[in-house]
Amino acid sequence: ETGVTQTPRHLVMGMTNKKSLKCEQHLGHNAMYWYKQSAKKPLELMFVYSLEERVENNSVPSRFSPECPNSSHLFLHLHTLQPEDSALYLCASSQGVTLGDEQFFGPGTRLTVL
Amino acid sequence: AQSVAQPEDQVNVAEGNPLTVKCTYSVSGNPYLFWYVQYPNRGLQFLLKYITGDNLVKGSYGFEAEFNKSQTSFHLKKPSALVSDSALYFCAVRDMIGPQDSNYQLIWGAGTKLIIKP
Repeated sequence: ETGVTQTPRHLVMGMTNKKSLKCEQHLGHNAMYWYKQSAKKPLELMFVYSLEERVENNSVPSRFSPECPNSSHLFLHLHTLQPEDSALYLCASSQGVTLGDEQFFGPGTRLTVL
Repeated sequence: AQSVAQPEDQVNVAEGNPLTVKCTYSVSGNPYLFWYVQYPNRGLQFLLKYITGDNLVKGSYGFEAEFNKSQTSFHLKKPSALVSDSALYFCAVRDMIGPQDSNYQLIWGAGTKLIIKP
């Protein structure tokens, strides 16, 4: 509905697994974001891409690896995660990062790490 | 650094009554302020923003927010609440990414759960 889709919607993985989250935006935006949402905490910005170049990496552990092959697609590769990484992972896009434009969010991937 | 605070974890309102969800901010310079809503099992949706101009900003679904510079507040309001307004509401402020004034991100509050009872 917002023009941003995420797959899968739910993911359960063990600590030794490797998986990837996918995000796609159909809005013609130039900026894309990964957020981590945990209960009763502010959204945590993980990565920002503008025109396929990484603008910000907020000291995210290396077990999270983003990839932005073009302005419409964003991936988050996961490996050797910890149980505390269980959360809702949200993807968002905006027209750009230069004006603080409003962001459009996908529905999120609910990740559970066993 | 910029920050926002949402002092209430939860707000309960009876249907038909006015509602207010509080947000205070701390910024250097002129604030760019936002409200987003998150319905269950959904991503966040933009409601409204304040950049400059009229202190009363109107947004989606009948919501409005009042910018108060002296009280550093940006409270979200609606004259008559609906049960369907029950959701999680987030306040956010724009902040720079890095030292240069060219890239921005949003700094988020922890969210306020709004419950509208029939």
